[in-house]
Amino acid sequence: DAGVIQSPRHEVTEMGQEVTLRCKPISGHNSLFWYRQTMMRGLELLIYFNNNVPIDDSGMPEDRFSAKMPNASFSTLKIQPSEPRDSAVYFCASSFTSGGADEQFFGPGTRLTVL
Amino acid sequence: GDSVTQMEGPVTLSEEAFLTINCTYTATGYPSLFWYVQYPGEGLQLLLKATKADDKGSNKGFEATYRKETTSFHLEKGSVQVSDSAVYFCALSDNNDMRFGAGTRLTVKP
Repeated sequence: DAGVIQSPRHEVTEMGQEVTLRCKPISGHNSLFWYRQTMMRGLELLIYFNNNVPIDDSGMPEDRFSAKMPNASFSTLKIQPSEPRDSAVYFCASSFTSGGADEQFFGPGTRLTVL
Repeated sequence: GDSVTQMEGPVTLSEEAFLTINCTYTATGYPSLFWYVQYPGEGLQLLLKATKADDKGSNKGFEATYRKETTSFHLEKGSVQVSDSAVYFCALSDNNDMRFGAGTRLTVKP
């Protein structure tokens, strides 16, 4: 039974380059979340989707960040252009939202380093 | 808005010691409360949860009770093991809006 799948696991890039992070949620889940984790700021929610529709993107830092969910089994988080301060671990999580205590299942994360 | 405040770490204990990690919350509604654990190099995984006041969540020897009168959800374990070394996050969720605490790093020494 596969969990949330993220790729790549590690990404090293140079400032100014475009970075695309990918996520495959658990089959049957209807909500998907993108988080960023740093030592300084902890775990921050960037955006979440429900039924492939972005519901809350207030956590997206700036216009350089964009996220899409073209179908129920795939989402991307893109940073263009990337900057050193974007270096962090990015997590994708999914859940089945039923209005109750909805556990989120996290992927293993993508460690991004921008030089 | 809703928020979670948890005990700052790091916490270092000897094996078989008693563990408490404090967590308090602020919420306008009636949230569900969670403890997540993150092992090195991995994503967060659910440890336990409670959905209403006076509920007790438990798993792997860990327990936490939803206390509405003190707005708390403290994590406890009677006897920790080296394998419990990880970062622990308290969280609340109301209407699919999950808020995490800053995390508390626990190190258990043999």
